[in-house]
Amino acid sequence: AQSVSQHNHHVILSEAASLELGCNYSYGGTVNLFWYVQYPGQHLQLLLKYFSGDPLVKGIKGFEAEFIKSKFSFNLRKPSVQWSDTAEYFCAVNAQGTGTASKLTFGTGTRLQVTL
Amino acid sequence: KAGVTQTPRYLIKTRGQQVTLSCSPISGHRSVSWYQQTPGQGLQFLFEYFSETQRNKGNFPGRFSGRQFSNSRSEMNVSTLELGDSALYLCASSLPSGGDTDTQYFGPGTRLTVL
Repeated sequence: AQSVSQHNHHVILSEAASLELGCNYSYGGTVNLFWYVQYPGQHLQLLLKYFSGDPLVKGIKGFEAEFIKSKFSFNLRKPSVQWSDTAEYFCAVNAQGTGTASKLTFGTGTRLQVTL
Repeated sequence: KAGVTQTPRYLIKTRGQQVTLSCSPISGHRSVSWYQQTPGQGLQFLFEYFSETQRNKGNFPGRFSGRQFSNSRSEMNVSTLELGDSALYLCASSLPSGGDTDTQYFGPGTRLTVL
């Protein structure tokens, strides 16, 4: 079974600061990787995803993530955060080739607070 | 295209009762997955339905069950409610395309409070 670790539980940044949220997974096989965001009072939305190919993926709202297979990591980055980026961010994985692609395993989430 | 819809949005029940939650997937999506979100356990996979059949299951007791209808709409049922069942229940839909590269799109959730 796979597991996901998000080591930053709560991050506070000033507007225009750079952001990097860590995500590490544990699984011996091939995975798909996702970052979802949950804005206050809203539902989970997909930020970006990685299935294969270029390990640097770009998502919506200026977010990007880099898959480093040797480190089992998929860190989320944004060069300059805005107040509107205040939200909870979830990293998720599922396993390829096992018939369980529908089963997403989520990290515990990182609450990002951006101050003006 | 309309997103995933869930009804009701809020529910209050008492211990021992049962509850049914409903999910309508994005038009054309045939897979529906359910997740439980709590502050302590985070987001946990309950089960997935595809073509009216449960295809994957998480580690929840048998009190949690579901079904899917021919129009891909899904319901989730929790019997003999316990205080610990208080949570946000999320539904997600995906096509699927036949491979392992489908993306799940989430609904707003049903917030269940058990008193």
